[in-house]
Amino acid sequence: NAGVTQTPKFQVLKTGQSMTLQCAQDMNHNSMYWYRQDPGMGLRLIYYSASEGTTDKGEVPNGYNVSRLNKREFSLRLESAAPSQTSVYFCASRMDRGPRSPLHFGNGTRLTVT
Amino acid sequence: AQKITQTQPGMFVQEKEAVTLDCTYDTSDQSYGLFWYKQPSSGEMIFLIYQGSYDEQNATEGRYSLNFQKARKSANLVISASQLGDSAMYFCAMRGRVSNDYKLSFGAGTTVTVRA
Repeated sequence: NAGVTQTPKFQVLKTGQSMTLQCAQDMNHNSMYWYRQDPGMGLRLIYYSASEGTTDKGEVPNGYNVSRLNKREFSLRLESAAPSQTSVYFCASRMDRGPRSPLHFGNGTRLTVT
Repeated sequence: AQKITQTQPGMFVQEKEAVTLDCTYDTSDQSYGLFWYKQPSSGEMIFLIYQGSYDEQNATEGRYSLNFQKARKSANLVISASQLGDSAMYFCAMRGRVSNDYKLSFGAGTTVTVRA
């Protein structure tokens, strides 16, 4: 089973360039999330989508936009990349709203902005 | 606001020994949940174990167990009989409510290195 698939795995951008990080899950999960991981800071929530057609801001949404294209796909867009957005980005999904339901993560996208 | 604190940036443990990873949390919610994830050097995030605030017993999952002390607001992960494959970063996370879903807030993580 593929689970949560993120593309690309690695990306280098110049300051001011734009790009979209893709995420797709094949587990029929309702909720999807974008996190960023920085050294010494754990993972921080950027945006989430509780269901198809809805998106909401997390802790660190500035500089990002998202689209929940359908139930399977949740993309993250950087309109004008900045060096502060150099990070590892994780997409995750969750089946339902039960409290014990864990997040299932993709393998991450390592983004460098120069 | 919720806060997760992992005070041990890195730890060394001898193979076959047990290791305890500390996690303290701060929340005003009565109902909450705590998760532990493992991140090996390959980078993926692997769910290990869950503890609910109203669970009567401490959670266990194979060699992983949670030492949950609600009054002290701590949820320490115990890995018994460490193996070389346990070398990884470990994250404690707390479930919090948002308007129509929940989110996980993560600690900074603890790196565990298992020595042969």
